[in-house]
Amino acid sequence: DVKVTQSSRYLVKRTGEKVFLECVQDMDHENMFWYRQDPGLGLRLIYFSYDVKMKEKGDIPEGYSVSREKKERFSLILESASTNQTSMYLCASSLGTSGEQFFGPGTRLTVL
Amino acid sequence: ILNVEQSPQSLHVQEGDSTNFTCSFPSSNFYALHWYRWETAKSPEALFVMTLNGDEKKKGRISATLNTKEGYSYLYIKGSQPEDSATYLCAINTDKLIFGTGTRLQVFP
Repeated sequence: DVKVTQSSRYLVKRTGEKVFLECVQDMDHENMFWYRQDPGLGLRLIYFSYDVKMKEKGDIPEGYSVSREKKERFSLILESASTNQTSMYLCASSLGTSGEQFFGPGTRLTVL
Repeated sequence: ILNVEQSPQSLHVQEGDSTNFTCSFPSSNFYALHWYRWETAKSPEALFVMTLNGDEKKKGRISATLNTKEGYSYLYIKGSQPEDSATYLCAINTDKLIFGTGTRLQVFP
């Protein structure tokens, strides 16, 4: 059974803290993605990666960075968390460019 | 940025009713159109990946059609059941997925 896991389901952080969201997939997929989902806005792409050590900005990269040191792991980093980064964060992976994406369960992050 | 629109935003139906939603997009310049189902407290799961104009896909009581020339896709659910309650997302795949805002379906027993 294919699996994408995220390190936390719920996370509460304070403004200014550095936050790491981890995502691991066990399907040997090349492509990995980070999205955030906010009410009325749908899923928006933050960053994605087509290979180890590669990263590409999505539609809303400001305030975020990513790391992909190993094929199976894609980390999203909030260098200095702000209240407007309170959101649901979803990680996904896919095999090919047009293939379906497999999603993790999401991390609901609250920044106080 | 390409804009993918879904309608309606939300839908409440009785068990047994059939229903459909629409996904509209401005361009046919994409690799594929995806439909996902996202149940509360679960991960979004792919329903269909459609690539060709005129494509029709079916999975049980759920089916979808794609019209790239006129820029829309329909998702149909025949005989809705309470377990169909979820948010249904469509996305067009360029070199990345561009999602619509979803249609939230609630099926009442």
